[in-house]
Amino acid sequence: NAGVTQTPKFQVLKTGQSMTLQCAQDMNHNSMYWYRQDPGMGLRLIYYSASEGTTDKGEVPNGYNVSRLNKREFSLRLESAAPSQTSVYFCASMGAGLSKSSYNEQFFGPGTRLTVL
Amino acid sequence: GQQLNQSPQSMFIQEGEDVSMNCTSSSIFNTWLWYKQDPGEGPVLLIALYKAGELTSNGRLTAQFGITRKDSFLNISASIPSDVGIYFCAGTNFGNEKLTFGTGTRLTIIP
Repeated sequence: NAGVTQTPKFQVLKTGQSMTLQCAQDMNHNSMYWYRQDPGMGLRLIYYSASEGTTDKGEVPNGYNVSRLNKREFSLRLESAAPSQTSVYFCASMGAGLSKSSYNEQFFGPGTRLTVL
Repeated sequence: GQQLNQSPQSMFIQEGEDVSMNCTSSSIFNTWLWYKQDPGEGPVLLIALYKAGELTSNGRLTAQFGITRKDSFLNISASIPSDVGIYFCAGTNFGNEKLTFGTGTRLTIIP
């Protein structure tokens, strides 16, 4: 199992450019998440998807859109990148398994380091 | 949005020392999680706690679920260089799809 994978690992954009960050999980998890991490700020939730076909805003959704393409894939799109969106982006997934011990545990991808000039 | 209060924010220790850190919340949680983030990597789950008062170990790491359900503690015994990184706590409740994360404790080992 690869767990949670993210592409690309690094990206540099110019202000106003658009791009899509890709995320996939192979753990058959129902829920998927996008976070951003800025120095000294910890992890902040951008959007999440509790199940295929549903998405909800997190703490910092402005400037982003998401698509839950299927159960495995959850993408994050920046339509018009701004320097304030320079950050490290993490995708995570969480299972709703039969075991209580796995339900609330989120598993993270390796991150995408985005710089907007 | 709410973030849990972790302390200390940073620690500078020598190899072999024991480490203690904690996480406090104004809200009650019935699940506490501890993650470690290595430089340039995503957070990795270390320990999950599901019962107030529970003490759980993972090698040299021991975490406790506070009896008030508003706090949790992580101890690392006999630290080694690979313990360097940022440690995050997270709290949630059953049925809640979202985690509330702490602000992180950055651990540095002084040569």
